[in-house]
Amino acid sequence: QVQLLQWGAGLLKPSETLSLTCAVYGGSFSGYYWSWIRQPPGKGLEWIGEINHSGSTNYNPSLKSRVTIPVDTSKKQFFLKMSSVTAADTAIYYCARVHLASNAFDIWGQGTMVTVSS
Amino acid sequence: DIVMTQSPDSLAVSLGERATINCKSSQSVLYSSNNKNYLAWYQQKPGQPPKLLIYWASTRESGVPDRFSGAGSGTDFTLTISSLQAEDVAVYYCQQYYSTPLFTFGPGTKVDI
Repeated sequence: QVQLLQWGAGLLKPSETLSLTCAVYGGSFSGYYWSWIRQPPGKGLEWIGEINHSGSTNYNPSLKSRVTIPVDTSKKQFFLKMSSVTAADTAIYYCARVHLASNAFDIWGQGTMVTVSS
Repeated sequence: DIVMTQSPDSLAVSLGERATINCKSSQSVLYSSNNKNYLAWYQQKPGQPPKLLIYWASTRESGVPDRFSGAGSGTDFTLTISSLQAEDVAVYYCQQYYSTPLFTFGPGTKVDI
């Protein structure tokens, strides 16, 4: 049973860098794309970007200038780095696996609430 | 970007009754070369991450009860819960993955009893 466990700092000040980690347990890391998705409180879902085991990335153009998604294949972990955060970046951040049979998201992390406040 | 819209914003259905949620995409998500609609449905309960219910517009994910069904093609889709159970109270989202890798979601529909 594949599980995603995520963690990272939950309270940031404006202009700081958001940093989250997602670890994959119980399954293969290679052969999949791995995504980050966020959800502002009480609102809908926004895809941030993705990476595969070889480091190939794709980003949402609206966030591309501030986001990087590195990977550590040896630890089966991938990361989210978002620079220059503002209050608008306050959200629950999820990591997720891209489904092999389609491009939907079939397995999700538990979510990390990140609040940006001075 | 492909913009996804959903209707209604919320609905209340009696236990055992049918619930129908609509999803519309701003352009077709039907890929002509394989005749597949690049659309998924998710269920999100309070305090939980979304759960994949349906992909390819009508294929149920493993373990999803058969009271959930998806239909539609091109730009118009529906998610139907044939007989609402108490545990189905949630927000439901549609998502297109046609314009990979720019995935976009609908705004969600809240289902209550």
